[in-house]
Amino acid sequence: EVQLVESGGGLIQPGGSLRLSCGTSEFIVSNNFMSWVRQAPGKGLEWVSVIYSSGSTYYADSVKGRFTISRDNSKNTVYLQMNGLRAEDTAMYYCATKYGVPPGHYGMDVWGQGTTVTVSS
Amino acid sequence: EIVLTQSPGTLSLSLGERATLSCRASQSISSSHLAWYQQKPGQAPRLLIYATSSRATGIPDRFSGSGSGTDFTLTISRLEPEDFAVYYCQLFGTFFFTFGPGSKVDMK
Repeated sequence: EVQLVESGGGLIQPGGSLRLSCGTSEFIVSNNFMSWVRQAPGKGLEWVSVIYSSGSTYYADSVKGRFTISRDNSKNTVYLQMNGLRAEDTAMYYCATKYGVPPGHYGMDVWGQGTTVTVSS
Repeated sequence: EIVLTQSPGTLSLSLGERATLSCRASQSISSSHLAWYQQKPGQAPRLLIYATSSRATGIPDRFSGSGSGTDFTLTISRLEPEDFAVYYCQLFGTFFFTFGPGSKVDMK
């Protein structure tokens, strides 16, 4: 089963920074979009950010100006740099992508196992 | 920005019953941009349906999707024990990927 692997989560104080990583050895991450999705404890899914194969990046309003998504093609890895962290950023963070879904159609069929970010003093 | 709403919030059904879940968009969307996911506790979401009505790889045919414009539906024809979970719809816009709030299917 094709899968993504996230890392970098942890406990961080409000105002602090973390960098999450997401990679795989099974396909080239730059061939399609890569997205971050988060889920606060007991809550629903919240889309966070996307980086397209072109390099274009977009963000949810809740993280715009604080989070930056990027990609290192040489490491086949996507990152989420999170600055100015707040208590409300506490969540499980998943990376996800489209892999087997045909061109022109949309759905994220490959996900990581998630990495937990806890923002607390 | 387009907002997705889902109903009902919770659906209580028995094994073998039919589940019908609704996803409504605040404005008309392309059917190729609407997907459905299943999530169980402690697990990552799993893609069920993409492009409104196409089943993802390995998804049983008791799951089906339909709809157009602003109204979309996920139907589970006969509930199996493993189908009790939370279901989310998702819209793929160019500048945003938004999720609905989810619908929980639990056992009556």
